[in-house]
Amino acid sequence: AQKITQTQPGMFVQEKEAVTLDCTYDTSDPSYGLFWYKQPSSGEMIFLIYQGSYDQQNATEGRYSLNFQKARKSANLVISASQLGDSAMYFCAMRPTWGGGKLIFGQGTELSVKP
Amino acid sequence: SQTIHQWPATLVQPVGSPLSLECTVEGTSNPNLYWYRQAAGRGLQLLFYSVGIGQISSEVPQNLSASRPQDRQFILSSKKLLLSDSGFYLCAWSAPGSLNTEAFFGQGTRLTVV
Repeated sequence: AQKITQTQPGMFVQEKEAVTLDCTYDTSDPSYGLFWYKQPSSGEMIFLIYQGSYDQQNATEGRYSLNFQKARKSANLVISASQLGDSAMYFCAMRPTWGGGKLIFGQGTELSVKP
Repeated sequence: SQTIHQWPATLVQPVGSPLSLECTVEGTSNPNLYWYRQAAGRGLQLLFYSVGIGQISSEVPQNLSASRPQDRQFILSSKKLLLSDSGFYLCAWSAPGSLNTEAFFGQGTRLTVV
């Protein structure tokens, strides 16, 4: 079964510090995509970063980086230099090879940034 | 540029009433379309997806149905709402045929069944 697991329901981080949000996945597909989204209290879904299963290097987008460990089936999001505006729900998602491009989401991690 | 419209933003409906949520995409052709539901404080559960007009795949058995009458229109419906249908409904689209393109989401509809 294809599944995304986020084991941290809530996380706190001090402003300007780095934080890692965990994500593990389960799939037997030969290729897949991994995504992270941010959901502020407004409810909108904001795409942050993408990692392909065959990408050799970890993805980076500004303050966001993805620590991809294929053998461990993990795709952790690292946010550097946290800002107050980073407080939100964060979702890890996987796109399997088949299934009309659907994204399978984890349960999310609520990040709170303290001043 | 591509945009996705979803309405209404909020909806309060009595138990047993019908439901129709509409989603339209502009600026792209033949998108993959999705309906997700999110319970409070929880992750997104995929309800339906569509890869073309009239082609609907259901992910979970439930009280809801979906239709795609036009290429860029996706409708979520129910004949009789249940209390358990309350939640935040999100429509999304993605470009077909690629693993690495993100899905773009609408602003969502907060449905409360009373």
